[in-house]
Amino acid sequence: EAGVAQSPRYKIIEKRQSVAFWCNPISGHATLYWYQQILGQGPKLLIQFQNNGVVDDSQLPKDRFSAERLKGVDSTLKIQPAKLEDSAVYLCASSLGGFENTIYFGEGSWLTVV
Amino acid sequence: GNSVTQMEGPVTLSEEAFLTINCTYTATGYPSLFWYVQYPGEGLQLLLKATKADDKGSNKGFEATYRKETTSFHLEKGSVQVSDSAVYFCALLYSSASKIIFGSGTRLSIRP
Repeated sequence: EAGVAQSPRYKIIEKRQSVAFWCNPISGHATLYWYQQILGQGPKLLIQFQNNGVVDDSQLPKDRFSAERLKGVDSTLKIQPAKLEDSAVYLCASSLGGFENTIYFGEGSWLTVV
Repeated sequence: GNSVTQMEGPVTLSEEAFLTINCTYTATGYPSLFWYVQYPGEGLQLLLKATKADDKGSNKGFEATYRKETTSFHLEKGSVQVSDSAVYFCALLYSSASKIIFGSGTRLSIRP
């Protein structure tokens, strides 16, 4: 079974530029998550989708971050304009949903803002 | 609210030593509990899980028991190897929202 796919793996941009990350979840997984992991910290949930609807985006900085999952499968996370403090790993994850709800993570997209 | 507290690292041990990484949680209801591992330059991998009280999760020689009375899910391994060097995250999932909360992580380094 293929895992959660993310791209690009690494990105370096200057502050005030924009960047987009793509995620393809495990086939059949209805729930998709984007997490931000700053170096030395645990992952923080940015946004959670159930199919193509947003379940929770309470910690998404909406003035600069946006995410979509138009067809209920793959998803894009965009940052515009980027700030230095956005340097982090952006982790996409997916799950089937339901009671035994194991969440599977991709390898992450590593963003450095200079 | 729901939260997870892990022992702070870094933890440095010699090869073949016994490992314990403490994790306690605060939650309403009956969450599922997880340990994830993150090797350098990689994403998070599920190490083990337990979905109800007194369940024991195990994988690759690691074990953790879901203790409701002490609200704990401590990670243990009897004999660590250099390849176990990584960051370990304790996490809880409250199924009603399909939402997972992570601890801050514990960095483990094993000396040959």
